[in-house]
Amino acid sequence: SAVISQKPSRDICQRGTSLTIQCQVDSQVTMMFWYRQQPGQSLTLIATANQGSEATYESGFVIDKFPISRPNLTFSTLTVSNMSPEDSSIYLCSVEGDRRGETQYFGPGTRLLVL
Amino acid sequence: EDQVTQSPEALRLQEGESSSLNCSYTVSGLRGLFWYRQDPGKGPEFLFTLYSAGEEKEKERLKATLTKKESFLHITAPKPEDSATYLCAVQAIGGSQGNLIFGKGTKLSVKP
Repeated sequence: SAVISQKPSRDICQRGTSLTIQCQVDSQVTMMFWYRQQPGQSLTLIATANQGSEATYESGFVIDKFPISRPNLTFSTLTVSNMSPEDSSIYLCSVEGDRRGETQYFGPGTRLLVL
Repeated sequence: EDQVTQSPEALRLQEGESSSLNCSYTVSGLRGLFWYRQDPGKGPEFLFTLYSAGEEKEKERLKATLTKKESFLHITAPKPEDSATYLCAVQAIGGSQGNLIFGKGTKLSVKP
């Protein structure tokens, strides 16, 4: 399976500011995914990032709030913009890891606290 | 609406006491069902993928099974190191690509 790293591992931010989270994979992958895990809630897909195209956002998530970059096949960033305490969450990136393309492997996550 | 429900929310076992975790799902068509283990402060660790009813997979003390409506994760003679939150997820046929729909998880504690 792919080795995935995320930076930062955790951060505490003030409301109204923005934070960019980086996701690095040790092999080339077509699709990368960004999820959010709010306290006591299920993991929820924010968007899918393909290299060379615009990210595809799930219902309830918009590009202005969560802009995503995917400059190459091993790297992606997710920005959480104009943060509020409700954005306090764990943000996870994942990649597809098998031939059928369904199984996903996750990074360690970024723990964000907004004050 | 595609949905995943896991039960129980929390489970306490004594070391060696076998049990099962349940994952009930509702999807228009199942592309795959996934089990993950998540330790505190870490990302989900992949355990199993199941594709069709009747399929079973095993890994050490864990065995996952699948029917048309639910999946079970059987834990045989658990050890304290099996303590973690176990997550179930499904991917639906016709859903957006890569969208795994997760349950809230079962928090397992195994006491020595």
